[in-house]
Amino acid sequence: DAKTTQPNSMESNEEEPVHLPCNHSTISGTDYIHWYRQLPSQGPEYVIHGLTSNVNNRMASLAIAEDRKSSTLILHRATLRDAAVYYCILNQGGKLIFGQGTELSVKP
Amino acid sequence: DADVTQTPRNRITKTGKRIMLECSQTKGHDRMYWYRQDPGLGLRLIYYSFDVKDINKGEISDGYSVSRQAQAKFSLSLESAIPNQTALYFCATSDRDRPTDTQYFGPGTRLTVL
Repeated sequence: DAKTTQPNSMESNEEEPVHLPCNHSTISGTDYIHWYRQLPSQGPEYVIHGLTSNVNNRMASLAIAEDRKSSTLILHRATLRDAAVYYCILNQGGKLIFGQGTELSVKP
Repeated sequence: DADVTQTPRNRITKTGKRIMLECSQTKGHDRMYWYRQDPGLGLRLIYYSFDVKDINKGEISDGYSVSRQAQAKFSLSLESAIPNQTALYFCATSDRDRPTDTQYFGPGTRLTVL
């Protein structure tokens, strides 16, 4: 199973943009890149996904490198409610293989 | 009402006991999953089911079994619980076996095996 690598933790200030990086050097051509987040004491929730092109939705943006070996989740204005563990995941045939994720803390 | 529910939410049991965790969904999805999460780690897939007649092992199926009683219900059993099965267990659903499909997670069951 292809793996992803993320920093263990990151800090951000409230109302500033946050860029969460992810490396996935063994990605195959058909693997979609998914991002989920897990708020404290909750199950993971979907954030965004993409294949080759950059994607935007109401929660975030996803920037995918041209060679697809890395991607970046962008939160345009972090709020205190965005404090969570963010998981970058390669969706392989519907199976999600979670790594350890990045714990994002947001300072007021 | 929540789309994916899990019962019980918390359970403390003793080594050797048989435990069943239940998951129900109202999303009408075909696919259901069971994951476990250990402190400070990501989720690991235990079992998954494409539909009522399909059951597949995940990364860590040893010591666990599952039953898909209906499209909406997927149960996880620990036949003889052991302390290293103490963890947070999540059920999830998705619509089809496609790499774009979102998984929807339940609130989790915290299991402690003494």
